[in-house]
Amino acid sequence: DGGITQSPKYLFRKEGQNVTLSCEQNLNHDAMYWYRQDPGQGLRLIYYSQIVNDFQKGDIAEGYSVSREKKESFPLTVTSAQKNPTAFYLCASSQQGMETQYFGPGTRLLVL
Amino acid sequence: QKEVEQDPGPLSVPEGAIVSLNCTYSNSAFQYFMWYRQYSRKGPELLMYTYSSGNKEDGRFTAQVDKSSKYISLFIRDSQPSDSATYLCALLGFQKLVFGTGTRLLVSP
Repeated sequence: DGGITQSPKYLFRKEGQNVTLSCEQNLNHDAMYWYRQDPGQGLRLIYYSQIVNDFQKGDIAEGYSVSREKKESFPLTVTSAQKNPTAFYLCASSQQGMETQYFGPGTRLLVL
Repeated sequence: QKEVEQDPGPLSVPEGAIVSLNCTYSNSAFQYFMWYRQYSRKGPELLMYTYSSGNKEDGRFTAQVDKSSKYISLFIRDSQPSDSATYLCALLGFQKLVFGTGTRLLVSP
């Protein structure tokens, strides 16, 4: 059963804390993406990776970091430098190009 | 001015109606046009993508692109309550992908 999994479904962050969101795919896709979704705004690209051990900043990378050590995994760390982290975070992957992205179920991050 | 404009809705229709969802854009560099469906608290699901102007049909869904007017549409025939969701347009050009804010659709039985 191929797809993208994200965990946890809900995540709570305390002030000054770094938290890591997990994203795993078994679709054998080369490219993976992280988006942030806020009410009333379109999805905004945080980081993307087109190949293992390589990634690029998206439109809103400040306060976030990623790694791509394995093809199937692309974890996102929300650092304490991100002052407004409350949002719905979506991971996606694609094989052919950015036009055919498949999304995971999302992680909702809340600040305590 | 936003690069992509999409009416947030909600758009309420009775079951069986034909639904028209639209996006307008300002950048003529966009070449690929996608429609995603997103149920509440879920990830978006790719419905259709098109490259050229004209129509593309897939079951009850038809995507229409008018590059001269910078206007794209998604038509849903014989709408069902299960179609109730938020529909996002997405436009891609020169490695730049921009999403609309989404239109919320409510189909009542």
